[in-house]
Amino acid sequence: SQQGEEDPQALSIQEGENATMNCSYKTSINNLQWYRQNSGRGLVHLILIRSNEREKHSGRLRVTLDTSKKSSSLLITASRAADTASYFCATNTGNQFYFGTGTSLTVIP
Amino acid sequence: EAGVVQSPRYKIIEKKQPVAFWCNPISGHNTLYWYLQNLGQGPELLIRYENEEAVDDSQLPKDRFSAERLKGVDSTLKIQPAELGDSAVYLCASSLQAGGQETQYFGPGTRLLVL
Repeated sequence: SQQGEEDPQALSIQEGENATMNCSYKTSINNLQWYRQNSGRGLVHLILIRSNEREKHSGRLRVTLDTSKKSSSLLITASRAADTASYFCATNTGNQFYFGTGTSLTVIP
Repeated sequence: EAGVVQSPRYKIIEKKQPVAFWCNPISGHNTLYWYLQNLGQGPELLIRYENEEAVDDSQLPKDRFSAERLKGVDSTLKIQPAELGDSAVYLCASSLQAGGQETQYFGPGTRLLVL
């Protein structure tokens, strides 16, 4: 079973707009990670946020974590057509590592 | 630096046939993971190795699936016999440390189709 669920399942935006996707999970975590998967390819790590962190930035990515609500969000600013991919959150509980169901992002040029 | 290598990239077999997937992790990575990914879903862990020891195989269907990581480097995942429902992408990943504390690096996956 998968612990995380992303919302929305699919998102379509115009190039230059910001994209926000959310992840909810069920149990306490050590850290939460976001990965990107282009069609037919493996997953690529984007960013890791630890349970004692609330916000983290990496380039055009901004991740927030609210452990009280057991949720995280990934913001991609100034989106590009190359950002078109599926995005997955992954939670690490210390002993287990779970991926969410993913958000499919389409950026229209 | 070479990434995680998987072979074959694609495999088509008939049901009840055996199939094997191979993974070579990034050099120096102690931890190796096998995941199953169904269409439109996130990866689901099948087995995790730390060096040559399988430390988490709770989600591996042991009646038909087996895996090994001899010498703690490359790994093989086998299905025997394959069923129609095994059609999926099988992903291999590796990391320096265990338990998801560090980034996992994924291979391109093996896409299996069971007819």
